Amino acid sequence: QVQLVESGGGMVQPGGSLRLSCAASGFTFRTYGMHWVRQAPGKGLEWVAVISYDGSHKYYADSVTGRFTISRDNSKNTLYLQMSSLRAEDTAVYFCAKDPAGLALAGYFDYWGQGTLVSVSS
Amino acid sequence: DIQMTQSPSSLSASVGDRVTITCRASRTFSNYLNWFQQKPGKAPKLLIYAASSLQSGVPSRFSGSGSGTDFTLTISRLQPEDFATYYCQQSYSSPWTFGQGTKVEIQ
Repeated sequence: QVQLVESGGGMVQPGGSLRLSCAASGFTFRTYGMHWVRQAPGKGLEWVAVISYDGSHKYYADSVTGRFTISRDNSKNTLYLQMSSLRAEDTAVYFCAKDPAGLALAGYFDYWGQGTLVSVSS
Repeated sequence: DIQMTQSPSSLSASVGDRVTITCRASRTFSNYLNWFQQKPGKAPKLLIYAASSLQSGVPSRFSGSGSGTDFTLTISRLQPEDFATYYCQQSYSSPWTFGQGTKVEIQ
């Protein structure tokens, strides 16, 4: 069955950096787009970034453009989110999520990881 | 960006009730609308995609309808495990956006 397991969250000071990872299994990772979605404490869901199946296309929310970089290693079945210049408002649980459309992007999320908490505070 | 507005923000209901949640988009699109259920401390779960298609494994008491700007999620007979927060999400254009959520609580 599909499994997505995030790691790399933690506490970081404003202006700092962090790299999240998402280990995927149970499906052919290299043929699906992958997303990051976040949820601030007690708040709703916010889409953050997406990467196409082969890494050739990447899109970001305006709130993270220029600070976050999404990437993937298809040989390791792993998705990444490199976060820099972190701000207090980036504090959230970060979920990785699978796009259901193979080789294209459907723009929604059929499987989710359990999430990893990022706290930005001095 | 497409804004998604859900109503109500919360509701109280009893087991066995019929529950309807509405989602309105700031721009029209056909059926690029999805619904998710989230329980406290858990990841969201896809219930409905393309406005009315039931995701595999989701009970048939969940249904979706609508097109254009107005969409609806209906739970025909509320079960104890359905008390949760529900989100709509548009997949018509990036940035893909969510509604603010509707919390379904026990009356």
